[in-house]
Amino acid sequence: QKEVEQNSGPLSVPEGAIASLNCTYSDRGSQSFFWYRQYSGKSPELIMFIYSNGDKEDGRFTAQLNKASQYVSLLIRDSQPSDSATYLCAVTHNNQAGTALIFGKGTTLSVSS
Amino acid sequence: ETGVTQTPRHLVMGMTNKKSLKCEQHLGHNAMYWYKQSAKKPLELMFVYSLEERVENNSVPSRFSPECPNSSHLFLHLHTLQPEDSALYLCASSQGGYGNTIYFGEGSWLTVV
Repeated sequence: QKEVEQNSGPLSVPEGAIASLNCTYSDRGSQSFFWYRQYSGKSPELIMFIYSNGDKEDGRFTAQLNKASQYVSLLIRDSQPSDSATYLCAVTHNNQAGTALIFGKGTTLSVSS
Repeated sequence: ETGVTQTPRHLVMGMTNKKSLKCEQHLGHNAMYWYKQSAKKPLELMFVYSLEERVENNSVPSRFSPECPNSSHLFLHLHTLQPEDSALYLCASSQGGYGNTIYFGEGSWLTVV
């Protein structure tokens, strides 16, 4: 069973701090990695995707990928109360039917003002 | 208006009822999906349609019946559901098949009584 593991949290950080969200995955063949944000009662929205080892930055968000360690993370700089949400890590997995997108259970982030 | 729209947003149905969830995507994508999101569980992929053909069915009970009449529309027909089927049902779409970035609709909250 291919899995994506995330600490459910809640992760609490003060406003202006850096929030670090982590994700590990079991399938070494995974090629694409996604971070989604989900506000309570809303659907997931894409924040970032990353395909290559290293860092990818987009505004206050940085995704980090280390395929050797099967680890992907999301850093949020200058955290704002509006960043309070559940962050879902998703990883591609190849199976007989094609390529599947496996989600973790998500990490709840709380940013206090 | 979002790129993926779902109706109804909320649905309450009895176990003997028959209802349908509708999804329409305005992004020009060629793949559409149904996901189920229950409390404290990861997003579960139910069905994948690529170019209007079903390519994956993750052992979903037959009381859920998908229909994809064209690349822009997707339905989930529901009949004789159980209370444990109460969940948020999310439609999503992508271009180029699974493994590429998927975009979610707002979801349909289903309560089975």
